[in-house]
Amino acid sequence: DVKVTQSSRYLVKRTGEKVFLECVQDMDHENMFWYRQDPGLGLRLIYFSYDVKMKEKGDIPEGYSVSREKKERFSLILESASTNQTSMYLCASSLYGPGGYGYTFGSGTRLTVV
Amino acid sequence: AQTVTQSQPEMSVQEAETVTLSCTYDTSESDYYLFWYKQPPSRQMILVIRQEAYKQQNATENRFSVNFQKAAKSFSLKISDSQLGDAAMYFCAYRRTQGGSEKLVFGKGTKLTVNP
Repeated sequence: DVKVTQSSRYLVKRTGEKVFLECVQDMDHENMFWYRQDPGLGLRLIYFSYDVKMKEKGDIPEGYSVSREKKERFSLILESASTNQTSMYLCASSLYGPGGYGYTFGSGTRLTVV
Repeated sequence: AQTVTQSQPEMSVQEAETVTLSCTYDTSESDYYLFWYKQPPSRQMILVIRQEAYKQQNATENRFSVNFQKAAKSFSLKISDSQLGDAAMYFCAYRRTQGGSEKLVFGKGTKLTVNP
């Protein structure tokens, strides 16, 4: 069963900590995405990557960075966690190409910054 | 920029009844794809149905069907014979045809409650 795996389901971190959220997919997908989901705001794109070592800013990249050293792994980094980064974080992947490929999502990481 | 609007933050339906969730979008493209995703309390986002804009025929997947009105830029989801397991957040999404790394643009979601 193909899937996207997020390393943590729940995470509690302190303000100012550097936080790593890991995402691994086993479908050989080129594209990978990080979203945050907040009530009433839907899904907002933080960063995405279409190839190893390539990254593009999404709609809300401030306070975040990403790393993609291997095709199957896409990491989201909170350089200095703040309470307003408390949220649900969703990772997704898709094939690269002009076709109407949808996403395959991970199960999400609920991050609380205290 | 493309936008997707779901005007119903919450909906409810009685078990075994039919419910329709609304979605409108704004685009200047002529060819694109539209999706409905379901997010149950388990949080796993699941693809429910997919529609190609150049196909006039409405997509159907078992009890789920869409009413795609291209001129009106409307893409509603109909759930027939609603079941308790249909309770979830539902997100409408849009994707351009061109480009290899095009991201999905999501609406803000509709929370569906199914009453027994």
